[in-house]
Amino acid sequence: NAGVMQNPRHLVRRRGQEARLRCSPMKGHSHVYWYRQLPEEGLKFMVYLQKENIIDESGMPKERFSAEFPKEGPSILRIQQVVRGDSAAYFCASSQRGQVSRKGYGYTFGSGTRLTVV
Amino acid sequence: QQQVKQSPQSLIVQKGGISIINCAYENTAFDYFPWYQQFPGKGPALLIAIRPDVSEKKEGRFTISFNKSAKQFSLHIMDSQPGDSATYFCVPITALIFGKGTTLSVSS
Repeated sequence: NAGVMQNPRHLVRRRGQEARLRCSPMKGHSHVYWYRQLPEEGLKFMVYLQKENIIDESGMPKERFSAEFPKEGPSILRIQQVVRGDSAAYFCASSQRGQVSRKGYGYTFGSGTRLTVV
Repeated sequence: QQQVKQSPQSLIVQKGGISIINCAYENTAFDYFPWYQQFPGKGPALLIAIRPDVSEKKEGRFTISFNKSAKQFSLHIMDSQPGDSATYFCVPITALIFGKGTTLSVSS
């Protein structure tokens, strides 16, 4: 079981370019969560997705950010027209059950993608 | 709406001492209370978790104490070691909120 796989581990983009971050959940997990981590902000929730559905995007910036989790393939976090303030570590987590389940299950995190905007 | 309050934000403990991190929650619907541990450059990893039908769970040097009536749970690290230096998060399942966590430094 390979765990949650995120790629790339490091990504450098110039201002104005697009960044695409990929996350493959653990085998058997159908719920994916994206978090952004900055030293001064801690680990901040961005979006929660299930296959082909966005369940909760309350933490996503309204502009330039989008996320998808298609029926086949990894979940993608896409940042258009990146700015320096987007530089951060982006973590993906997956779980077997979603947040609505009363039988809570823990999240399994990937090692993150460190985005640097120059 | 802040569903979970974790304290302290940072903690310095001598090697061999006891580290205590507290977590207070509001939502009584939470039914699973995990603690996550994150080392620099890594993603958080599940450390230990407790369900509300037990008051304490121990795994090695790590113990969760749960007080359902007070809506609080805490992490105790006995005989703290420099390798325990990390950031710790309490995240009642369904909360989705990790926040800043508690940064623990164990000095040798």
